[in-house]
Amino acid sequence: DIQMTQSPSSLTASVGDRVTITCRASQSINTLLNWYQQKPGEAPNLVIYSATNLHSGVPSRFSGSGSGTDFTLTINTLQPEDFASYFCQQNYNYPYTFGQGTKLAIK
Amino acid sequence: QVQLQESGPGLVKPSETLSLTCIVSGDSIGDKYWSWIRQPPGKRLELIGFLYDSGKTYYNPSFKSRVTISMDTSKNQVSLRLTSVTAADTAVYYCARVASGLFDPWGQGTLVSVSS
Repeated sequence: DIQMTQSPSSLTASVGDRVTITCRASQSINTLLNWYQQKPGEAPNLVIYSATNLHSGVPSRFSGSGSGTDFTLTINTLQPEDFASYFCQQNYNYPYTFGQGTKLAIK
Repeated sequence: QVQLQESGPGLVKPSETLSLTCIVSGDSIGDKYWSWIRQPPGKRLELIGFLYDSGKTYYNPSFKSRVTISMDTSKNQVSLRLTSVTAADTAVYYCARVASGLFDPWGQGTLVSVSS
């Protein structure tokens, strides 16, 4: 199975900050990498697909980059509703696997 | 708007069978891919498997001998059965639609605890 490793596992930031979360795959996955946001008690929501594409309805302050094994999710000008957990997922091959998640908390 | 809602017993005894249902509204399940994913406490999400083409299945090899995913098109629901459960199967279980390898949307999840 492809192992997905996120860093950091948690971080704190303030409203208005810019944050970056990293996801590394144990082998090349081209750009078959997706990012999800999850708030406590809620369903996860797709944010970025295929490494760089913004999912419909997601604010443009979210962006993704990377290819091969290294990927980043960047959130510009953090808003209060962005404080949540984020996790990556590869769909390069089966079984699809997930990162361990990054919890973004308000400072 | 597509919505998914998982339901089932919140407590299952060791060695018994875990059975969950995912009711789908706003979409017809027959020609789509539908998955089950779980997250044990403090651990990462894990794909259990998915159902597609009105009955074909893919199961994560980690579960393959214990899992069955099925659908009832008359009720527009997808079901999960996991046999011989242990404490390691304690998790929040999610259903989600799959398209091009993306999970979207997801249900809110249901916590299943395995304990005597």
